[in-house]
Amino acid sequence: GIQVEQSPPDLILQEGANSTLRCNFSDSVNNLQWFHQNPWGQLINLFYIPSGTKQNGRLSATTVATERYSLLYISSSQTTDSGVYFCAVDDMRFGAGTRLTVKP
Amino acid sequence: SAVISQKPSRDICQRGTSLTIQCQVDSQVTMMFWYRQQPGQSLTLIATANQGSEATYESGFVIDKFPISRPNLTFSTLTVSNLSPEDSSIYLCSVGPTNVFGPGTRLTVL
Repeated sequence: GIQVEQSPPDLILQEGANSTLRCNFSDSVNNLQWFHQNPWGQLINLFYIPSGTKQNGRLSATTVATERYSLLYISSSQTTDSGVYFCAVDDMRFGAGTRLTVKP
Repeated sequence: SAVISQKPSRDICQRGTSLTIQCQVDSQVTMMFWYRQQPGQSLTLIATANQGSEATYESGFVIDKFPISRPNLTFSTLTVSNLSPEDSSIYLCSVGPTNVFGPGTRLTVL
């Protein structure tokens, strides 16, 4: 099956900083999604982005399908951005996640 | 998008017993899925709950351990049987095609 790798595994930021999270996948995909799991465990779908670029407020995502990676950008981070960010592909195969901690 | 509720939100169970988790959606959906998230880990798909037929299980998950019911297009249950401490996890249901997740059920097995 498709392998999904996320980096970095952990990221600590000061409030207001920007960050880039990466998701690499081992084969072409028809579906790629980014999720945020908040510290209480709730999973929120951020983007459905099998290719191209999307933006939603301070978050944006880009998937370069031909090069098998996707990037999630968080600008002007806030403490509420803390949690784990997952990417998932095709048959909902999840990466290991990036744990983001934003400090005030 | 769909709104999903799960019951119970958390439970503590004894080894050898079973726990049934309910997933209720506020609209009819074709695709419902069950996931397990072990402590500190990512999500693993257990099975796809099919309305009117048996669930489709992923490799490593079997019906005897994780029986699933899907009586209609808004409801599903997952039972975790013969519990052991290794079953301590968060169990989540989601619905497609946009993969909205329920709040999860946190299971601790003693």
